[in-house]
Amino acid sequence: AQTVTQSQPEMSVQEAETVTLSCTYDTSENNYYLFWYKQPPSRQMILVIRQEAYKQQNATENRFSVNFQKAAKSFSLKISDSQLGDTAMYFCAFMKPIYSNYQLIWGAGTKLIIKP
Amino acid sequence: EADIYQTPRYLVIGTGKKITLECSQTMGHDKMYWYQQDPGMELHLIHYSYGVNSTEKGDLSSESTVSRIRTEHFPLTLESARPSHTSQYLCASSEPPTGGDTGELFFGEGSRLTVL
Repeated sequence: AQTVTQSQPEMSVQEAETVTLSCTYDTSENNYYLFWYKQPPSRQMILVIRQEAYKQQNATENRFSVNFQKAAKSFSLKISDSQLGDTAMYFCAFMKPIYSNYQLIWGAGTKLIIKP
Repeated sequence: EADIYQTPRYLVIGTGKKITLECSQTMGHDKMYWYQQDPGMELHLIHYSYGVNSTEKGDLSSESTVSRIRTEHFPLTLESARPSHTSQYLCASSEPPTGGDTGELFFGEGSRLTVL
């Protein structure tokens, strides 16, 4: 069975620092999708970044980038030049392939606090 | 902004009351989901739907029920609320990562339920 593990329940860094959130997953599949979602306090959950497993290039979205290590089944999120608005819960998610109907498996989340 | 709406945002009710949490999306998505989430904790899938007249139970057993009579509408009902139902309920919708879609889930703002 697929699992997603986020080993850091909580992290805090100073504003403008770089922070990396870890995520590992377990699967025997070759084609799948990985996501990082952000849930700010009392606000909507939104997608931060996604990665398709068949793409070797790491996805980037402005200050957010991933380090995707397929063989190691690792999918970490790096936030550069962190801002106060980055304070949120961050969830890593694994999406099963088509024959499993694209079901999502979620990690337990990492609470990230950006200090001024 | 995602076009998915949940009402009510906050609800405080007494034990034994029947409640319905509403969820509507205007994106025409076939897949819709209900997640239960305690504050700062992981998401638990309680119901999902592949389309009209399709409903499935999720990984977490729930006493709630859902219906999907229209594509855009996916209400969740609790026939007799209890204090153990106190939680946040998140509705989401998506399309599979095919044909140009990313597989991204779009979330509502959540319904925070307190049962006294």
